Amino acid sequence: EVQLVESGGGLVKPGGSLRLSCEASGLAFSKAWMSWVRQAPGRGLEWVGRIWSNSDGGTTDYAAPVNGRFTISRDDSKDILYLQMTSLKSEDTAVYYCTTTSAIGWLPSFDYWGHGTLVTVSS
Amino acid sequence: QSALTQPASVSGSPGQSITISCTGTSSDVGRYNLVSWYQQHPGKAPKVMISEVSKRPSGVSSRFSGSKSGNTASLTIFGLQAEDEADYYCCSYAYNSYVFGTGTKVTVL
Repeated sequence: EVQLVESGGGLVKPGGSLRLSCEASGLAFSKAWMSWVRQAPGRGLEWVGRIWSNSDGGTTDYAAPVNGRFTISRDDSKDILYLQMTSLKSEDTAVYYCTTTSAIGWLPSFDYWGHGTLVTVSS
Repeated sequence: QSALTQPASVSGSPGQSITISCTGTSSDVGRYNLVSWYQQHPGKAPKVMISEVSKRPSGVSSRFSGSKSGNTASLTIFGLQAEDEADYYCCSYAYNSYVFGTGTKVTVL
């Protein structure tokens, strides 16, 4: 059974930084393309970014609102996905979900989701 | 990238069928057969219901069906049941990014 467990959320001041982690199990993590999706309170889903598997090049792509401020990385030796967030703004307040697909070599859909971790940006 | 357009709400009686539309552009929905649909109950993580326009993942009820025509994708729920009451989101690949729909609240009357 695939399990994704996010951690690292909390309260941070505007302009601050935070690193989220996602521990994965039950899948071939090193081959998995991973993604982060967020959901502001009472709002819809918003794609944040993705990272290819290292064997496919390890490329990262980001949504425009976070490009240049957020960085996705992975540690295949520990089966952990990271989301480093800097220059945080109030509009980054959201539940952040770690997601992945059952496909290999691409990311056609978000088949598995973690429970999410809440990030609140407020002074 | 603007969010895909979905109706804010759709309702139906038990046993009825409903369809949720998801309108994008020729750069996302119209260009790629990579539209997926997600069901989200309050306080829960989303669950994939349809991938690649019309593929139903293992374990998802056959009452859920997806299709696409031009820049608009659709999710049809046949034989509506009480447990189908939830928020539904479409999502499309859009060249090195993904865009979600605005979300539709499905109410079972």
